[in-house]
Amino acid sequence: QVQLQESGPGLVKPSETLSLTCTVAGASITSYYWTWIRHSPGKKLEWIGNFHYTGSTDYNPSLESRVTMSIDTSKNQFSLNLSSVTAADTAVYHCARKSDFYYYMDVWGKGTTVTVSS
Amino acid sequence: EIVMTQSPATVSVSPGERATLSCRASQTVTTSLAWFQQKPGQAPRLLISGASTRATGIPARFSGSGSGTEFTLAISSLQSEDFAVYYCQQYKNWPPTFGQGTKVEIK
Repeated sequence: QVQLQESGPGLVKPSETLSLTCTVAGASITSYYWTWIRHSPGKKLEWIGNFHYTGSTDYNPSLESRVTMSIDTSKNQFSLNLSSVTAADTAVYHCARKSDFYYYMDVWGKGTTVTVSS
Repeated sequence: EIVMTQSPATVSVSPGERATLSCRASQTVTTSLAWFQQKPGQAPRLLISGASTRATGIPARFSGSGSGTEFTLAISSLQSEDFAVYYCQQYKNWPPTFGQGTKVEIK
């Protein structure tokens, strides 16, 4: 059974970089594309982007200039960095596994809440 | 960007009754549509992909239908564990986009 667990600071100051990690259990990090999605209060779920261990990425154009994703194969983890955050980046951040051929997620993490505030 | 609109925002249903949820796309997504279920404090769960194909382990009381711009998720006989928020998502165009969700609550 594949399980994903997000971790990282729950509070980030404006203009700083938000950094989150997703630990994957039950699947090899090198076998799939991995995804970050967020859900801001009162807004729709938003796809942030996908990452593959080969370095292949797809980022949402609305966030592309501020997003970096990376992977640590030795720890079976992947990470999200979102720079220059504002209050609008306050959200629950989910990591997920992208399905084999299409852009939907077949396994999700519970999510972690990140608040941007001074 | 394709805009996904779900209706109603909330539906009140008695256990054992049928619930019907709608999802509309601002332009055609053919059958590139998924449905997810989310309960408080839990990870979202994939129910349906390809508009009508149930994911592994999803009970037969969940059924998806539609193509183009109009889609429906039906739950034939609601069980206590089905009270949750349901989201649709299109994956025809980049970026993938979601509806705002429909909450299924106990009547």
